Amino acid sequence: EVQLVQSGGGLVQPGGSLRLSCVASGFSLSSYEINWVRQAPGKGLEWLSYNYVDGSPPKYANSVKGRFTASRDSPRNSVFLQMSSLTAEDSATYYCAREMLACGGDCYDLWGQGILVTVSS
Amino acid sequence: QSALTQPPSASGSPGQSVTISCTGTSSDVGAYNFVSWYQQHPGKVPKLLIFEVNKRPSGVPDRFSGSKSGNTASLTVSGLQAEDEADYYCSAHGGSNNFYVFGSGTKVSVL
Repeated sequence: EVQLVQSGGGLVQPGGSLRLSCVASGFSLSSYEINWVRQAPGKGLEWLSYNYVDGSPPKYANSVKGRFTASRDSPRNSVFLQMSSLTAEDSATYYCAREMLACGGDCYDLWGQGILVTVSS
Repeated sequence: QSALTQPPSASGSPGQSVTISCTGTSSDVGAYNFVSWYQQHPGKVPKLLIFEVNKRPSGVPDRFSGSKSGNTASLTVSGLQAEDEADYYCSAHGGSNNFYVFGSGTKVSVL
């Protein structure tokens, strides 16, 4: 089955760090750009990061630039989002999302199941 | 990055049409034909409905259509059905300074 399976969420204290994982099955992640998107409880979607296939430096939203780092591990068919200096405003459900082939941009045709991150003391 | 502007809510009766607007700027919606629309039911993962302004992925009914004029993109849902009741989000590419941005979201109710 073609899917993205996420892990790594949970409760973290303010100022702490967390690493989210997104593992692909049924296809090779090395052929796809991957984005990270989050959604705070009851709120809208917020784009966070774009991870190039060719290894170019990822793009980040201003809200997370300098605190979040996106990376990929092609042999493990995985992408990661390393989050640091977390605040309560980072509490949200985080999604990894695959960008559709033959699309010029922002076309996420496959999403992970979402993983909840809660930043609280 | 500021979110693209969508009306908070829209509604229609079964069989009717509803159109949702997505207003950006000449740097995002107006600059590129990279506007997408997503449908999200409560507690579910977003689903891609429209990409590149007016293209539908395989499996999306042709009741869903997209368009763009200037800095405003639109999603029209024709022949409203009960299962269309959901949140809808637009997204656009904004160039190097505002790479991708989502709209604020519109809750569609089927009366």
